[in-house]
Amino acid sequence: GENVEQHPSTLSVQEGDSAVIKCTYSDSASNYFPWYKQELGKRPQLIIDIRSNVGEKKDQRIAVTLNKTAKHFSLHITETQPEDSAVYFCASRDMNTGFQKLVFGTGTRLLVSP
Amino acid sequence: DAGVIQSPRHEVTEMGQEVTLRCKPISGHNSLFWYRQTMMRGLELLIYFNNNVPIDDSGMPEDRFSAKMPNASFSTLKIQPSEPRDSAVYFCASSLAGVLDEQYFGPGTRLTVT
Repeated sequence: GENVEQHPSTLSVQEGDSAVIKCTYSDSASNYFPWYKQELGKRPQLIIDIRSNVGEKKDQRIAVTLNKTAKHFSLHITETQPEDSAVYFCASRDMNTGFQKLVFGTGTRLLVSP
Repeated sequence: DAGVIQSPRHEVTEMGQEVTLRCKPISGHNSLFWYRQTMMRGLELLIYFNNNVPIDDSGMPEDRFSAKMPNASFSTLKIQPSEPRDSAVYFCASSLAGVLDEQYFGPGTRLTVT
């Protein structure tokens, strides 16, 4: 089945800096790659996603890039703010079981210091 | 829309007791997912349903776990008998498969088995 690896596990930046989180996946057939943000004690919420037919997608301060050849995708957050502090999960669609199953990475704890 | 509803929000029980977690998906959604989140294992998919039919239950840890979806607006996850290692946050999520890929998570049930 699909396997997703996520790095780094923790990331500390100063407010205003950029943050980059990277994920690799194993199934070359996978076509959907979402990113979820989970604040402390809250539920995971989708912040951005990308499909295999595009290489980059942006939404204000966040962007995601996809390299299908290398099977990796990255989340970029620019001009970080303290409210960006959270755990971020990448995920990849598992194409082997009904096309709805997501396999999640292990998460990156981002801390933005004022 | 009220979003995905889960109950109870917190459950504390003794080892050996039966535990039932409940979920009401977003109205109109046709896929429902049960996840377990722990520090050690991250976010794991236990089982998911499409149109009330279980599609993939490969993540269900063992026979002590069972899940049902008797209709489009209700699902249960049952643990019998419960063990301390079942302590985790259990999330239910729903999506509109075939139209939107986003999975909407409920607030979660924090289960503690003593």
